[in-house]
Amino acid sequence: GAVVSQHPSWVICKSGTSVKIECRSLDFQATTMFWYRQFPKQSLMLMATSNEGSKATYEQGVEKDKFLINHASLTLSTLTVTSAHPEDSSFYICSVGAVYTDTQYFGPGTRLTVL
Amino acid sequence: GESVGLHLPTLSVQEGDNSIINCAYSNSASDYFIWYKQESGKGPQFIIDIRSNMDKRQGQRVTVLLNKTVKHLSLQIAATQPGDSAVYFCAENIGDAGNMLTFGGGTRLMVKP
Repeated sequence: GAVVSQHPSWVICKSGTSVKIECRSLDFQATTMFWYRQFPKQSLMLMATSNEGSKATYEQGVEKDKFLINHASLTLSTLTVTSAHPEDSSFYICSVGAVYTDTQYFGPGTRLTVL
Repeated sequence: GESVGLHLPTLSVQEGDNSIINCAYSNSASDYFIWYKQESGKGPQFIIDIRSNMDKRQGQRVTVLLNKTVKHLSLQIAATQPGDSAVYFCAENIGDAGNMLTFGGGTRLMVKP
């Protein structure tokens, strides 16, 4: 399977600041990456689909101006949480779509805590 | 809307016993299914997958069964070990949706020593 990294693994920030999370596909070129959010004891909620070289596709109810996604290369997608508030505290996970199957391979996740 | 769901939120088994985790899906157009394991504080880890043209697939200590008639998916873990303790998610993919997956609610597996 694909090897996916995320950075940082955890971050604590003050309310009102912006936080950038990086997702890297380490062993193959990913034209499609996905961003999920997961609250404690809940399933994964898809936030957006990140397409290399084009705008991300956001799921209903996800504010595109708050959660900025950039997929500038085939190995890197970034999620920026702008003007973060305590309710944005969550576990953010990215995944890459494998072109040879319909599988997604996930990164280790980033724990965001907004004070 | 259509979704993937699970029968049991928590499953507790004795070490060495076999575990069976179930998943019901409602989208008849789904043709690819995946089981993921998620340990606390980590991202989901791919375990095993199965396509709709199969009804059984085996891996190392794991078997996935697919019953398309009743839209039911199960994950069997043989000789369950403490390291198997985690939350298990099933996910489904619709053939024309690329890599898009719909996740079930998850089942927590607790292995008692």
